[in-house]
Amino acid sequence: NAGVMQNPRHLVRRRGQEARLRCSPMKGHSHVYWYRQLPEEGLKFMVYLQKENIIDESGMPKERFSAEFPKEGPSILRIQQVVRGDSAAYFCASSPNIGDTGELFFGEGSRLTVL
Amino acid sequence: KQEVTQIPAALSVPEGENLVLNCSFTDSAIYNLQWFRQDPGKGLTSLLLIQSSQREQTSGRLNASLDKSSGRSTLYIAASQPGDSATYLCAVPAHGGSQGNLIFGKGTKLSVKP
Repeated sequence: NAGVMQNPRHLVRRRGQEARLRCSPMKGHSHVYWYRQLPEEGLKFMVYLQKENIIDESGMPKERFSAEFPKEGPSILRIQQVVRGDSAAYFCASSPNIGDTGELFFGEGSRLTVL
Repeated sequence: KQEVTQIPAALSVPEGENLVLNCSFTDSAIYNLQWFRQDPGKGLTSLLLIQSSQREQTSGRLNASLDKSSGRSTLYIAASQPGDSATYLCAVPAHGGSQGNLIFGKGTKLSVKP
């Protein structure tokens, strides 16, 4: 049973470009969460999605950031017009559909560097 | 607003020592607490999940306890090994937050010297 898969693992963008980060949850999981870890800071919740629905986006910056989890395919975190302050590790987590204990399973992360 | 604090921020011990990592949270109305391990440049590995109705959970050399009333959890590592070197994070659900909206501490960076 593969774990949470994220790609790319490393992404370099210039200021003003777009970054797209992808996440495939564990098999049997339909809840996806995105977190951001800024250098020297703790992980911060960004958004919680189920298939075709955004459940909680209270941690998402108001501009330039968006997330989706389509019926088919991975969840996408999209950052438009990136700035240097977006440089961070972005982690995706998932949890099961049934018998959810609240335990989250994390991917290896996508590390974004904005030049 | 829920806040999570982990003490110490860093810890260095010789191999074989037993050690305790501390986690405190300000809002005791939690339904679970989760401990993770993060290796440099890697993702988070779930170690233990304690439900609010439980007082402790054990997995191998790890034992986590939870005292909701005092807002504390400890992670006990027995007979530490160099492979235990990592950053240990604790997290609790955000009060009033949705499922999966966790508040993380900044972690304790553990170094076990051979």
